[in-house]
Amino acid sequence: KAGVTQTPRYLIKTRGQQVTLSCSPISGHRSVSWYQQTPGQGLQFLFEYFSETQRNKGNFPGRFSGRQFSNSRSEMNVSTLELGDSALYLCASSPHLRQGSDYEQYFGPGTRLTVT
Amino acid sequence: DAKTTQPNSMESNEEEPVHLPCNHSTISGTDYIHWYRQLPSQGPEYVIHGLTSNVNNRMASLAIAEDRKSSTLILHRATLRDAAVYYCILRDLYIYGNKLVFGAGTILRVKS
Repeated sequence: KAGVTQTPRYLIKTRGQQVTLSCSPISGHRSVSWYQQTPGQGLQFLFEYFSETQRNKGNFPGRFSGRQFSNSRSEMNVSTLELGDSALYLCASSPHLRQGSDYEQYFGPGTRLTVT
Repeated sequence: DAKTTQPNSMESNEEEPVHLPCNHSTISGTDYIHWYRQLPSQGPEYVIHGLTSNVNNRMASLAIAEDRKSSTLILHRATLRDAAVYYCILRDLYIYGNKLVFGAGTILRVKS
C-alpha cells in the first residue's frame, strides 16, 4: 500500500506570494490533517479535514486555509506569505474521524517551504 | 490537552536497550499515551500506544506506571536507524478528531 504522498517536496517563494501544497492520503483513509514544523515552535496542528469538511482547526491566522476533495486528497493554501511561514509542512492521514484514540496516524515526508 | 515532560536528549550505544521516559502527572483517566518518532528528514511515524497495561509491538515496548503519571518507551536493541526525535503524546479517548499535540520530544543519539 502506498504511503502518504506530498507534492512538491521543496518550494521557494517570495514574501507576499501565495502557495498551494498537496497531500494524497493512504488509499481508503478519509481524514487528512496538516501540521507546520519550525525549529522555534516545533510541530503545530493546522487543521483537519474529513469528508470534504474542516473538522478541527489550530491557532493559525486566516491566511492558512485548506480543502479536501471527494477522493480525500487535500490541499492547503497560504496567502500573502511571510518570512515566518518558512517551515516543513506535514500531512497525516487516518482511516476515521471518531472519538477514541485507538488508531494511528500516518505522516507524509513533508513539503519544505522557504520564503525569501 | 494534558502536558508531557521528556528529557531533551539521550544517548545510547548500538545493540543496547534504551529507556525513554515521559512524565505526565496531570494525565486523566481517559488519556491514551502515544509515542511517535521522527527520523531525520522524514515525517513522524507511529511507534506504540497504551492506556493502562504495558504494551509490546514489533518496534518497541511501552511500560506504564501503576498511577499512570509516567511511562517509558523501551527499545530493546537500539540500532543506528533508531536515532530520531521521540515524542510522547496524550490523547483523550473522548476528544473528537485526530489532532496530535507535540511537545519538544527527546532527541535520541545512537553510537556505534
